[in-house]
Amino acid sequence: QVQLQESGPGLVKPSQTLSLTCTVSGGSINSGGYYWSWIRQHPGRGLEWIGHIYYSGNTYHNPSLKSRVTISVDTSKNQFFLKLTSVTAADTAVYYCARVVVMVSPTGDGMDVWGQGTTVTVSS
Amino acid sequence: DIQMTQSPSTLSASVGDRVTVTCRASQSISSWLAWYQQKPGKAPKLLIYKASSLQNGVPSRFSGSGSGTEFTLTISSLQPDDFATYYCQQYNSYSVTFGPGTKVDIK
Repeated sequence: QVQLQESGPGLVKPSQTLSLTCTVSGGSINSGGYYWSWIRQHPGRGLEWIGHIYYSGNTYHNPSLKSRVTISVDTSKNQFFLKLTSVTAADTAVYYCARVVVMVSPTGDGMDVWGQGTTVTVSS
Repeated sequence: DIQMTQSPSTLSASVGDRVTVTCRASQSISSWLAWYQQKPGKAPKLLIYKASSLQNGVPSRFSGSGSGTEFTLTISSLQPDDFATYYCQQYNSYSVTFGPGTKVDIK
């Protein structure tokens, strides 16, 4: 079955760029029928969608983060990536990658496979 | 942006109880709503999509209903494994927002 695994630094300094990788195993990222997504969860808080990417490279972002976010994909490595620039303490969170399955809605019908999450702390 | 609210924020219940969580959208989202269950330290798990469709492998005691701006998640008979936080999520167009969550704890 498909599994997702986040990786990247656990500590990022303020004003720097947060960079995370999600590695997809057990299935191909370019098989179609799925979007690939980043979501974060601030400590003790709810879930915040960051953005989606399709294997073709089409991306969709949370408007509140759009100017700082870049999501990209490398189909040859079966990976997709998150870059978040100019981070502050408010970006401290658990970051999840997830697969968005397209069952009925052309924009995806929910996130059916998730990574375990990776904690990123922004601190000097 | 479409805003999502959930009520109650916390719900205390006993094993065997029928439990209902409500989710409201700030504008119509048709039936483009999903529900997730999250346990502490774990990733969320998809329960329901398109407001009322049960995800494969999810027990039939979970059900969803609603359309437009008001939705409900019902657990027909609460089991020990169901104590968790539940989130709704709208996916109207290419924008996604989650509700703030409802924690179901032991009474």
